[in-house]
Amino acid sequence: QLHLQESGPGLVKPSETLSLICTVSAGSFSSSSYYWGWIRHLPGKGLEWIGNIYYGGSTYYNPSLQSRVTISVDTSKNQFSLKLTPVTAADTAVYYCARGVVRANYYFDYWGQGTLVTVSS
Amino acid sequence: DIQMTQSPSSLSASVGDRVTITCQASLDIGIFLNWYQHKPGKAPKLLIYDASNLETGVPSRFSGSGSGTDFTFTISSLQPEDFATYYCQQYHNLLFTFGPGTKVDIK
Repeated sequence: QLHLQESGPGLVKPSETLSLICTVSAGSFSSSSYYWGWIRHLPGKGLEWIGNIYYGGSTYYNPSLQSRVTISVDTSKNQFSLKLTPVTAADTAVYYCARGVVRANYYFDYWGQGTLVTVSS
Repeated sequence: DIQMTQSPSSLSASVGDRVTITCQASLDIGIFLNWYQHKPGKAPKLLIYDASNLETGVPSRFSGSGSGTDFTFTISSLQPEDFATYYCQQYHNLLFTFGPGTKVDIK
């Protein structure tokens, strides 16, 4: 069973950088059959896709967040990361990392449990 | 960008009820439509992919249909563990969009 775990600060100040890491249990991380993504759940609202990173390092981001987001990967540690800067209170959310399967249709089949990040001074 | 709408935004139902949720895309996405269940404090769970394919291990009371711009998600007989929020999600040109969600709660 694949396991994903988000980690990082739970509190970030406005205008600073939100940094999260997702650690993936061994097995599929370096396979070209999968991609890795970040999704957030805004309080009182729905799920919002942030972006994905693919085998080889290609990234695709939600156009509404693209100017502030960077997703990168460290294959030696089975980890990928999210950076969002600068943040505002509107970025307060539960952040999830997830795995996707490379097919004609793309979706997320395994998710982490999520981590709450609050943006406040 | 493709916009997704879902209806209703919420509904109240009883155990054993048949529940139907619709999802509409702003342009033709073929069958690139997926459905997730999300419970408070838990990770979202993939239920249906490719509009109508049941993910492994998901009970057969869940089903999906549709293609193009109009899609339907059905729970044939609502169970206590099904009270949750359900989201559709589309994929088009390497971009993803989630619908706004439908909250299913107890009548």
